[in-house]
Order: sequence, then C-alpha cells, then structure tokens
Amino acid sequence: GNSVTQMEGPVTLSEEAFLTINCTYTATGYPSLFWYVQYPGEGLQLLLKATKADDKGSNKGFEATYRKETTSFHLEKGSVQVSDSAVYFCALKGETSGTYKYIFGTGTRLKVLA
Amino acid sequence: NAGVMQNPRHLVRRRGQEARLRCSPMKGHSHVYWYRQLPEEGLKFMVYLQKENIIDESGMPKERFSAEFPKEGPSILRIQQVVRGDSAAYFCASSHDQGALNYGYTFGSGTRLTVV
Repeated sequence: GNSVTQMEGPVTLSEEAFLTINCTYTATGYPSLFWYVQYPGEGLQLLLKATKADDKGSNKGFEATYRKETTSFHLEKGSVQVSDSAVYFCALKGETSGTYKYIFGTGTRLKVLA
Repeated sequence: NAGVMQNPRHLVRRRGQEARLRCSPMKGHSHVYWYRQLPEEGLKFMVYLQKENIIDESGMPKERFSAEFPKEGPSILRIQQVVRGDSAAYFCASSHDQGALNYGYTFGSGTRLTVV
C-alpha cells in the first residue's frame, strides 16, 4: 500500500542555517504530495503541495520538488528562523487509497536556536 | 470566515467514561474527515462523513468508536468506555466536496484526549 517515510528527528539548527527534511514515498500511480506544519499545541497547517512530477511547491521560504524518479519530496529552507520551530509532516494522497485520504509520515521535529 | 472549529481543546476522562468530540466544518463544507494522532506519531485516517452519511470508516476501531454528521449541527466522534490507549489528539478537516487528489485540507486545532 501507499506509505510515507520521513527522516527521524529531532533536527536542531542554529538560526539562519540551511534546512533539509527528507521525505520519500511509496505509491502506485501519481499521488499528490504535501507538507504540513504543526506548531506547539495547534493543528496542522498546509505549508505547500505539489501535484505532479517536477512540480515545485513553495511557501514562506520553504520549498519542495516532486521527484518521481527518486520518489522523494524533500523540504528545504535556505535560512531558518526561531519561529520555524515546529513539527513537519510529509503526506500524500493517492488514487488507490482514496483521493480524500491522506497518508502521513511520522513527522520531524525541528528546533531552531537563536 | 471561521475555520474548522473543534471543541473541547482538552478533554480528560476516567477509564470507562464516554468521550464526545465535536467538529464544526468550515462554512459551506459538507464533508468531514477525522484523524487520530497518537503520541510521537503521524496522523492516521479514521473516518470520512458527508452530511448524514458515513462514506469511509475503514480507519475506525471496530468497537467503542462511532461518528456522525447530522443534517444540523457539528460532527461528533464518540468513544465509549475509554481506555488509556485512546489518549491522543483527534483532528478533523472539512471540504466542500469529496476532496480531489490535489486538494489540501485545513485542519482544526484538535481535541487532546487524556484518559486517566
């Protein structure tokens, strides 16, 4: 079945460092891929998405490229801030699991130090 | 335009009690999705409801859990005879039609259930 694998956390960075959070997926067909962010005590907010191969999603300085050849959707940001500290979830929606149903990764906690 | 509203934010129940979690979808949305987040894990799909109908409950435990979305009022996730393993954050999301593959949902802030 469909699945999402994220790098284990926590990830601890200094402010202005470069961020990469790895995400790979397994799915039949052509899933859509998403990154969500969860700040402490809050719900999930959609950060960005990509719906076909080679698409790049971007928002608030974050970006991720849908790589079908490596089945990856890594999240990157050039210069992180303390306010980016949160848990980041990679997710997919695929035709075989139901177009309405997300498959989430386990999340990666990011801590940014001033 | 209010987002997806969930209440209560925090709920403490003793083992054996019932828990009722409420989710009011965004205005104009008639489709609701419930997810559960166990500690240190990602969200897992539980159930998808459309007004007065359960469309997909493949992620719901077979016993003690039920969900409804009446014609009027919020969607309710009900857990009977709670056990410690039910302690989790429960999130809902909504959409105005059956979510397309590329449609990104907005989630509510969740209900954090603690069973003592």
